[in-house]
Amino acid sequence: GIQVEQSPPDLILQEGANSTLRCNFSDSVNNLQWFHQNPWGQLINLFYIPSGTKQNGRLSATTVATERYSLLYISSSQTTDSGVYFCAVEVSGNTPLVFGKGTRLSVIA
Amino acid sequence: NAGVTQTPKFRVLKTGQSMTLLCAQDMNHEYMYWYRQDPGMGLRLIHYSVGEGTTAKGEVPDGYNVSRLKKQNFLLGLESAAPSQTSVYFCASKQNYGYTFGSGTRLTVV
Repeated sequence: GIQVEQSPPDLILQEGANSTLRCNFSDSVNNLQWFHQNPWGQLINLFYIPSGTKQNGRLSATTVATERYSLLYISSSQTTDSGVYFCAVEVSGNTPLVFGKGTRLSVIA
Repeated sequence: NAGVTQTPKFRVLKTGQSMTLLCAQDMNHEYMYWYRQDPGMGLRLIHYSVGEGTTAKGEVPDGYNVSRLKKQNFLLGLESAAPSQTSVYFCASKQNYGYTFGSGTRLTVV
């Protein structure tokens, strides 16, 4: 099956710093999503981005489908950005999401 | 609009006991999923359903059974719980490309 690798596994930032999280996947996908899991365990969908670039406030994401990777950018980080960020992909519309192991982000005031 | 509701939120079981986790969605979604999350492992798919009356195995189905008798409900059963099934369980539903996750069930098997 498809492999999803995320890096780095852990990241500690000072409040206000910028960061880039990476997701590599081993096969063509028709769906790629980024999720944030907050410290209370809730999974929040950030982006649906199988290709191209999207922005939502301080967060943006870029997927280069031909090179099989996606990047999540967090600018001017805040303590509320802390948590685990997951990348997940679908190979086709009928196949379930396959998750990477996540990047644990800690933002320190 | 409640989205995806999981019950119970917490449970402690003894080895060998059985239980059922309930997932209910009120969005009329066709697709539903059960994942488990273990430290450092991300979310791994247990079983899923592409519509009422259908189920399929995921990556880690052993020790679990599921049923989707009604479109809005997806049940996950543990017939004889083992300590290896200690985990956080997430249910999700999907329509088109949009996924909605429940808040999780934390299960401990002692």
